[in-house]
Amino acid sequence: EAGVVQSPRYKIIEKKQPVAFWCNPISGHNTLYWYLQNLGQGPELLIRYENEEAVDDSQLPKDRFSAERLKGVDSTLKIQPAELGDSAVYLCASSSKQGAGNEQFFGPGTRLTVL
Amino acid sequence: DAKTTQPPSMDCAEGRAANLPCNHSTISGNEYVYWYRQIHSQGPQYIIHGLKNNETNEMASLIITEDRKSSTLILPHATLRDTAVYYCIAPAGGTSYGKLTFGQGTILTVHP
Repeated sequence: EAGVVQSPRYKIIEKKQPVAFWCNPISGHNTLYWYLQNLGQGPELLIRYENEEAVDDSQLPKDRFSAERLKGVDSTLKIQPAELGDSAVYLCASSSKQGAGNEQFFGPGTRLTVL
Repeated sequence: DAKTTQPPSMDCAEGRAANLPCNHSTISGNEYVYWYRQIHSQGPQYIIHGLKNNETNEMASLIITEDRKSSTLILPHATLRDTAVYYCIAPAGGTSYGKLTFGQGTILTVHP
């Protein structure tokens, strides 16, 4: 079974430029999460989707961050414009209510560097 | 989420048991305790979870005290590949289906 796929793995951009991250969750997983991880810290939730609906986006900085999950499968997280402080790892995770539904499966993350 | 407290770092010799403690004195009756780990440059990985009873799977064992105020994750025979940051989480609402709040975790270093 393929895991959560994220691309790109690494991205370097100049400040004020836009950037987008893509996530393909595990097949059949209705719930998708985007987390932000700063260096030396644990991941922090940005947004959670149930199918196409964003059910928890309270931690998403909406002035510059946006996300979408149009068909309830893949998701894109965008930053426009990027700031120096956005340099971090962006993690995508997915989970399913079927079966035990007790774990989140994480992708490898996208490491963003803003210069 | 219930607040969890873990030591910032621990060392363990390869082949020995690694015992990672976690305090969660404010945990509610329906809040599970979850353990995840994060190996360098990878996303977090689920290890195990429990409510009241001790649990064991192919990766680890989880011992929860009777008053549920603390727990210990046990890696019975640690290997170099177990070097990682280990997170103890007690999500609000009971399960990890919603939001996971990661703290600083414990950096476990397994040495030869």
